[in-house]
Amino acid sequence: QSALTQPRSVSGSPGQSVTISCTGTSSDIGSYNYVSWYQQHPGKAPKLMIYDVTKRPSGVPDRFSGSKSGNTASLTISGLQAEDEADYCCCSYAGMYTLVFGGGTKLTVL
Amino acid sequence: EVQLVESGGGLVQPGGSLRLSCAASGFTFRSYEFNWVRQAPGKGLEWVSYISSSSNDIKYADSVKGRFTVSRDNAKNSLYLQMSSLRADDTAVYYCARERTTTAFDYWGQGTLVTVSS
Repeated sequence: QSALTQPRSVSGSPGQSVTISCTGTSSDIGSYNYVSWYQQHPGKAPKLMIYDVTKRPSGVPDRFSGSKSGNTASLTISGLQAEDEADYCCCSYAGMYTLVFGGGTKLTVL
Repeated sequence: EVQLVESGGGLVQPGGSLRLSCAASGFTFRSYEFNWVRQAPGKGLEWVSYISSSSNDIKYADSVKGRFTVSRDNAKNSLYLQMSSLRADDTAVYYCARERTTTAFDYWGQGTLVTVSS
């Protein structure tokens, strides 16, 4: 199973919005509404930010939102804050209980 | 407070074996499914294995199938990953993660580093 494709890096200024894409195939993102997004600060464990494409766990700010169109999922962060600077990684179910992660995107808050 | 604490990582020679443990506390361990996820140095996350709450359903990534074995002891609130025939590309931080729903891992351990090198 190939990894999902994410941009290596994105950036934005405080207060702006950024969108991170995650492209898969018809065998993973395109077939299932099981897409999640994780935030990871250096040296720390990942933190769940979005699951089931659009749902936010309690405690995650509503500045974070998820969506999906065809084989591509997206994470949008609005009202960027300095603490949002981190790596973001998507994950999708790929059938037969296999999961596939994206390569990760480094978000820089300028 | 939910806590997952991994242990058992270290330096091992190629072809060697290692057993990772993940001790859980702060919730009803037997009610949850778990996964192992690893991250090679400077790389992205890679799903390794899944185990259902009663151990009757177990899955592995192709990269570790036949070499790794996941298990759990619900009486001890513990998850395990037995790794054998280790290779250099198994070098990574290994995380145990509690599954909220499919692909949604709501709690993670701090990770344990496995280094495979001669």
